[in-house]
Amino acid sequence: AQSVTQLGSHVSVSEGALVLLRCNYSSSVPPYLFWYVQYPNQGLQLLLKYTSAATLVKGINGFEAEFKKSETSFHLTKPSAHMRDAAEYFCAVSDSGNTPLVFGKGTRLSVIA
Amino acid sequence: NAGVTQTPKFQVLKTGQSMTLQCAQDMNHEYMSWYRQDPGMGLRLIHYSVGAGITDQGEVPNGYNVSRSTTEDFPLRLLSAAPSQTSVYFCASSYYRDARQPQHFGDGTRLSIL
Repeated sequence: AQSVTQLGSHVSVSEGALVLLRCNYSSSVPPYLFWYVQYPNQGLQLLLKYTSAATLVKGINGFEAEFKKSETSFHLTKPSAHMRDAAEYFCAVSDSGNTPLVFGKGTRLSVIA
Repeated sequence: NAGVTQTPKFQVLKTGQSMTLQCAQDMNHEYMSWYRQDPGMGLRLIHYSVGAGITDQGEVPNGYNVSRSTTEDFPLRLLSAAPSQTSVYFCASSYYRDARQPQHFGDGTRLSIL
């Protein structure tokens, strides 16, 4: 069965600092991996996805993530945090079209001025 | 395109009342699902559907009922509301049989059970 673990329920960074949000997955087959962002009082929006092409995936708003099979990780990074990045971020995994997407518990990112 | 539309956006119920949360999508997606979001719990799958007439249970189905009579609509019914069902509910849709396709989410329904 597939699962996702997000390390750290809350991460706080200074504006302009590196953002690193951690995600480790478990899957019995090569996975498809996603990062979603949720701004306050809104639904989830897709940031980026890994679908077995390039291992370094670039998404919207300057975010990127690297798929590392040996570490079963898909960490999300951004070189320089902006105040507008404050939101909740969810990592999710899917291993086929026949099973529902599984989400991690989320990481709330705070950006300090 | 409207995408995924959820109604109502907010609702307050009394314990024991029933209600239906509406979800509609205009993208001709086969796959639709309902999640609930609670603090510290992430998103938990309630029910999902891979097409009209086909539904299945997710992780937390108890107390909820669904049906899928059309491709566009996937309502979620609370049969007898309980305080433990106070949550934010999200509906999502995507293309089926292609796990590479992302899910599209509605803006959520915030439900309080008194």
